[in-house]
Amino acid sequence: DQQVKQNSPSLSVQEGRISILNCDYTNSMFDYFLWYKKYPAEGPTFLISISSIKDKNEDGRFTVFLNKSAKHLSLHIVPSQPGDSAVYFCAASASNFNKFYFGSGTKLNVKP
Amino acid sequence: DTGVSQNPRHKITKRGQNVTFRCDPISEHNRLYWYRQTLGQGPEFLTYFQNEAQLEKSRLLSDRFSAERPKGSFSTLEIQRTEQGDSAMYLCASTLSRVRTDTQYFGPGTRLTVL
Repeated sequence: DQQVKQNSPSLSVQEGRISILNCDYTNSMFDYFLWYKKYPAEGPTFLISISSIKDKNEDGRFTVFLNKSAKHLSLHIVPSQPGDSAVYFCAASASNFNKFYFGSGTKLNVKP
Repeated sequence: DTGVSQNPRHKITKRGQNVTFRCDPISEHNRLYWYRQTLGQGPEFLTYFQNEAQLEKSRLLSDRFSAERPKGSFSTLEIQRTEQGDSAMYLCASTLSRVRTDTQYFGPGTRLTVL
């Protein structure tokens, strides 16, 4: 029962261009949505989050957009840099944060 | 701040043996989570502790799995009678409720291989 889905296993982008990573969810009880970045041989690292009362949250080059009616969120990285090459996971939780559900990840490759 | 640490980093065992992993969260982090991750998948929730109380357990956590956090600091995850399907990366994460409950800090994981 995959409640958070990332349908694109990989994405390749040229340095300096925009990277858009997508995520869909099925559970309307989710209140918080997060993006994590993961390098090989390391645990995931928190990147940015958004609560369900907002539709956009920005932090430097990273912006997360939430469309509650479509149960869809996306992560925009502008401009993309080679150091952004990693696997990106989308995650969701209800407001009690007792459990987090993760997508299967999208491997981003930013070409110099 | 040394971050979340996990030991061992790698464990190879034979089917049927018991294994135990340890997680040391960031000091003062009262929330601790265990996840399992297999190749090509995202972390899959196993269990959650707030201080020493285990408040949430996944259906995936069969009776061969048990987790403890006896003093609300470090935690252990034990797998009894290991099976080949238990081969995975086991991740631990912690958060501090009164600061940013949504921000989990992950350890590097323990990779388990069951032969």
